[in-house]
Amino acid sequence: GAVVSQHPSWVICKSGTSVKIECRSLDFQATTMFWYRQFPKQSLMLMATSNEGSKATYEQGVEKDKFLINHASLTLSTLTVTSAHPEDSSFYICSAIRTSGVYEQFFGPGTRLTVL
Amino acid sequence: GESVGLHLPTLSVQEGDNSIINCAYSNSASDYFIWYKQESGKGPQFIIDIRSNMDKRQGQRVTVLLNKTVKHLSLQIAATQPGDSAVYFCAENQAGTALIFGKGTTLSVSS
Repeated sequence: GAVVSQHPSWVICKSGTSVKIECRSLDFQATTMFWYRQFPKQSLMLMATSNEGSKATYEQGVEKDKFLINHASLTLSTLTVTSAHPEDSSFYICSAIRTSGVYEQFFGPGTRLTVL
Repeated sequence: GESVGLHLPTLSVQEGDNSIINCAYSNSASDYFIWYKQESGKGPQFIIDIRSNMDKRQGQRVTVLLNKTVKHLSLQIAATQPGDSAVYFCAENQAGTALIFGKGTTLSVSS
């Protein structure tokens, strides 16, 4: 099946710093990628929809200036958490839709962010 | 608003038993439903999906049932094994939009 990778798999940073998370579709092109956030013992919550070559669409309550999304190519979307704070500590998961063939959505393995 | 929810937060079964995990959805326009398994510290793992033009689909040891009349989705796992222990999420969407996830059910399988 199709593979989506995320890098890094985990990161620990100091409060106030920025962290970039990469999401790559390894063997297919993805016009659309999604970013989710998951707090402990909770479900995945959609943060934003990332479209290649255009601005991301953010869900209500998600600050676009804090969570910067760039989808510069058909295989890469990045999420940058700017001026991270402890409450941003979470599990961030991306998914990608394969642009050809039957609609399928593939998830990355997730990135664990811990802000001290 | 639209929501996808699960009836029970936890389910404990004995190894070898059949497990049934239920899910209710409220968006009648949803046309695609998926069950995911998530182990601790990992991303969601696809289990099985079903489209709204079907009411049953079977995989290896798993069966998904869709009742559009009452907007209910269920996942049946036959001969549950300790390796099936995880959190299970149902998710739904329509026309290629982002998946909306339910709250999750923790399945605990004891030997």
